[in-house]
Amino acid sequence: QLVLTQSPSASASLGASVKLTCTLSSGHSSYAIAWHQQQPEKGPRYLMKLNSDGSHSKGDGIPDRFSGSSSGAERYLSISSLQSEDEADYFCQTWGTGIRVFGGGTKLTVL
Amino acid sequence: EVQLVESGGGLVQPGGSLRLSCAASGFTFSSYWMSWVRQAPGKGLEWVANIKKDGSEKYYVDSVKGRFTISRDNAKNSLYLQMNSLRAEDTAVYYCAREEGWFDPWGQGTLVTVSS
Repeated sequence: QLVLTQSPSASASLGASVKLTCTLSSGHSSYAIAWHQQQPEKGPRYLMKLNSDGSHSKGDGIPDRFSGSSSGAERYLSISSLQSEDEADYFCQTWGTGIRVFGGGTKLTVL
Repeated sequence: EVQLVESGGGLVQPGGSLRLSCAASGFTFSSYWMSWVRQAPGKGLEWVANIKKDGSEKYYVDSVKGRFTISRDNAKNSLYLQMNSLRAEDTAVYYCAREEGWFDPWGQGTLVTVSS
């Protein structure tokens, strides 16, 4: 079964860096994922597609502070020089034939 | 500018029906799969259904199979979600999204509340 696992919460200080993790279920380590950001009281916004080899393609207007990387079944979203507007929920998402799956989301608090 | 605008949400009683619409602009609508994704209050995102470019293939999450129907009108650049036999657990903000496996962009969402 295709499942994505995320830690419920993370925190980091203003101006610091943070790395969020999304883990693919067993047998699905070759899958690409996408990262989406949802700021408070807003709809989701696509950040990037992230492949198993770590290559990624970002959405329009996404700052260079956002980057992605991969290792085995783990997919990472790194955010540098944290700003207050980065405080948001971050969801990873993947896909297969006839199915689209979301992780539970990580709530990022900027201290 | 690529834009998706949902409409049709509202308050409906359990067992009732509602039809959501999504108006697309700024891209060739007929060239893309489209999806509906929902978010219950205070919860995460849940994919609901998607439809192929020409409408010939449709897929649904198990919890809505037999109750919801996704459709599209490429001449009108519009996506629809017909929701029947609505339950309290269908209460959510419903987003439409253009997709190629991943969702980009998203609409602003429309709220559906199922309550007596």
